[in-house]
Amino acid sequence: RKEVEQDPGPFNVPEGATVAFNCTYSNSASQSFFWYRQDCRKEPKLLMSVYSSGNEDGRFTAQLNRASQYISLLIRDSKLSDSATYLCVVNPAGTALIFGKGTTLSVSS
Amino acid sequence: EAGVAQSPRYKIIEKRQSVAFWCNPISGHATLYWYQQILGQGPKLLIQFQNNGVVDDSQLPKDRFSAERLKGVDSTLKIQPAKLEDSAVYLCASLGWDPGANVLTFGAGSRLTVL
Repeated sequence: RKEVEQDPGPFNVPEGATVAFNCTYSNSASQSFFWYRQDCRKEPKLLMSVYSSGNEDGRFTAQLNRASQYISLLIRDSKLSDSATYLCVVNPAGTALIFGKGTTLSVSS
Repeated sequence: EAGVAQSPRYKIIEKRQSVAFWCNPISGHATLYWYQQILGQGPKLLIQFQNNGVVDDSQLPKDRFSAERLKGVDSTLKIQPAKLEDSAVYLCASLGWDPGANVLTFGAGSRLTVL
């Protein structure tokens, strides 16, 4: 089993749609979780951290289920500018961040 | 705050040649990483430094890759000799602190094409 697994997509949605990405991780000792966004030919940038209680930042909501070792990202009211690759990132204790392959989102008008 | 600086941005070499990439992290960031990102995949850790010491180089192909951070600031990553499968973007990142979480900041990357 890969350390961090994501559905690669692509997800093609119209503007205004709600879309959800899922991610599973294999190391139950993982302590920190993040979603990074990567635009085409650019470096990854932190979108949001993921907390056990779940957290929201505007149109973005992240959830963590430690028992199922599952992380999700929900994007509401999708904008054209949300088109990007979304990387699920896990930080097992004492190691560097481990990235999933990413899920590609394409929002069309 | 200045970001993570990397150079060169692009490099094209033939297989068996050598190449070196340079990284200058955000000022004050003690932890520095080199990641390799092959097209269509997520970044894969090559090496992690804490100041000038290596924390994790378990995934660095040491027969051809080497990295150093002699003074605990700048770092260089070298590939010698290069193989076709080394074609990738080499991302340098440094670790800082944001309220509630460590934040990894990436440089723009060095895109390597091996012919």
